[in-house]
Amino acid sequence: QKEVEQNSGPLSVPEGAIASLNCTYSDRVSQSFFWYRQYSGKSPELIMSIYSNGDKEDGRFTAQLNKASQYVSLLIRDSQPSDSATYLCAVSSTDKLIFGTGTRLQVFP
Amino acid sequence: EAQVTQNPRYLITVTGKKLTVTCSQNMNHEYMSWYRQDPGLGLRQIYYSMNVEVTDKGDVPEGYKVSRKEKRNFPLILESPSPNQTSLYFCASRQGVRAFFGQGTRLTVV
Repeated sequence: QKEVEQNSGPLSVPEGAIASLNCTYSDRVSQSFFWYRQYSGKSPELIMSIYSNGDKEDGRFTAQLNKASQYVSLLIRDSQPSDSATYLCAVSSTDKLIFGTGTRLQVFP
Repeated sequence: EAQVTQNPRYLITVTGKKLTVTCSQNMNHEYMSWYRQDPGLGLRQIYYSMNVEVTDKGDVPEGYKVSRKEKRNFPLILESPSPNQTSLYFCASRQGVRAFFGQGTRLTVV
């Protein structure tokens, strides 16, 4: 079992819709959770971090964490074509930061 | 501007010819690391360093070396590159658990 799992996609949504990206992790002691956005050929860019159960909102982005289910998600409201990218889930416990393989999101006009 | 700088951005080399990819950060971060990214495999950690003169293996260290003689620099060394080291490489530095990435180095070994 991979330590951080994501569906590779692509996830295709129309412009203006809500995109929902999901991630599960295996290490129960994980404390910090991150979503990075990566455009093709570019470096990952941190867009959200979440540390406690529940929802955290930042603009059009909402991160959701459920530690009991070992599940973290990212919602993107009012999706725009510029949101088309690969979204990487990352999980941290002690000194390690472990990345999922990413979900490719396509937002079509 | 806070940043992590890698050089070169693109490199094509031949099997067996030693090369170094440089990485420098200006944020005074203690923790630095190298990742490689391959299709379907995501970001995999090669080596990391928690402070000057302290380095340790990540998940895929074979064929790579690193050094950390000063806090800001963390070069990645390929003593004898092979085609299976063709990949996209990222250097990152960390403040706590938040990682900042360099622009990436696309390496092709022929």
